[in-house]
Amino acid sequence: AQSVTQLDSQVPVFEEAPVELRCNYSSSVSVYLFWYVQYPNQGLQLLLKYLSGSTLVKGINGFEAEFNKSQTSFHLRKPSVHISDTAEYFCAVRLNSGGSNYKLTFGKGTLLTVNP
Amino acid sequence: KAGVTQTPRYLIKTRGQQVTLSCSPISGHRSVSWYQQTPGQGLQFLFEYFSETQRNKGNFPGRFSGRQFSNSRSEMNVSTLELGDSALYLCASRPQTGNVGYTFGSGTRLTVV
Repeated sequence: AQSVTQLDSQVPVFEEAPVELRCNYSSSVSVYLFWYVQYPNQGLQLLLKYLSGSTLVKGINGFEAEFNKSQTSFHLRKPSVHISDTAEYFCAVRLNSGGSNYKLTFGKGTLLTVNP
Repeated sequence: KAGVTQTPRYLIKTRGQQVTLSCSPISGHRSVSWYQQTPGQGLQFLFEYFSETQRNKGNFPGRFSGRQFSNSRSEMNVSTLELGDSALYLCASRPQTGNVGYTFGSGTRLTVV
């Protein structure tokens, strides 16, 4: 079975500073990888996804992530954060094994707090 | 294009009662999944429906059930509610083909008292 570990439950940063949110996964087969953001009292919004090809993936709101197969990681980065980036961020995986299993397995989430 | 619509947004129920939550996917999306989000367990997969058939089911008791209608709208039902069922229930839809990520609704916040 696959699993996702988000190494930091909370990350406080100052506005305009860079940030990296870490995600590691475990799976016996290849996976698709996703980052979602959740603002208070809202659902999940897709930031970016890795399906195949280039390991550097660019998403919305200036975020990017790099897939590292050897380290089984998919860390999320942003060079300069804004107050409005304060939210909870979830890393998720889905098996790339064909068939009809489209279940997403999520990490526990990282609360990013951007301070002025 | 309308997003995924979940109703109601908030719900308060008493232990032992049952509840039905509704999800309308994005037009043209035929796959609908349900997730439970709690502070302790995080986001957990409940089940997935495609063309009115349940394709996958998570590790939840039989009190949790769902169905999908011919117009792709889905409902989930929880019977004999327990305090631990208090959670945000999220519905997500995806297109039939392609590997795009799921689009999530805003969720239904269920409180069991």
